[in-house]
Amino acid sequence: QVQLQESGPGLVTPSQTLSLTCTVSGGSITSGTYYWSWVRQPAGKGLEWIGRVSTSGSTNYNPSLKSRVAISVETSKNQVSLKLSSVTAADTAVYYCARAPNNGDYLYYFDYWGRGTLVTVSS
Amino acid sequence: SYELTQPPSVSVSPGQTARITCSGDALTKQYAFWYQQKPGQAPMLVIYKDTERASGIPERFSGSSSGTTVTLTISGVQAEDEADYYCQSADSSGIHYVFGIGTKVTVL
Repeated sequence: QVQLQESGPGLVTPSQTLSLTCTVSGGSITSGTYYWSWVRQPAGKGLEWIGRVSTSGSTNYNPSLKSRVAISVETSKNQVSLKLSSVTAADTAVYYCARAPNNGDYLYYFDYWGRGTLVTVSS
Repeated sequence: SYELTQPPSVSVSPGQTARITCSGDALTKQYAFWYQQKPGQAPMLVIYKDTERASGIPERFSGSSSGTTVTLTISGVQAEDEADYYCQSADSSGIHYVFGIGTKVTVL
């Protein structure tokens, strides 16, 4: 059973860069064809897709965040990373790592999620 | 940008039927997926490909689709079904994922 675990600083200073890591266990990150995504959720609000990376390193981002986001994959460590620059209080949220199947069947969804990690942007 | 429209809340008595709609133009080209999220937990896939139940999901959960609208139906609602429910799909290119605002189901 694949498991995803997010980790990183719980507090980030405004204007700085938020950096998170998602560690995948229970299988190789390159096993099968998947996208690895980040999704966030401000307290009391809905889910927002941030972006995705394939195991080959190709990326796609939410247009509303594209100028500030970078997602990368480290296959040797079975990890996916998120960097979000120039953060403000509006970026305070629970950040989830999620796996999205990429089987060429035009089904775009998330089958496994991490538990999420709360990141607060504050000075 | 692509949007999915859901009602913010639905209230239902135990044993009754809850229906949650989700509308969006791209739903004629892309499948919809439904997630259940309870407080403090990650979302969990409930329905995929408009109508199919995910593994381990009770039969009281069902999905349907008509045109630009998909519907999640919970028949014989139980107290444990109280949660937020999100529909999710992708734009026509399949590159960008999108979520509805979420519907809070309250069991009276």
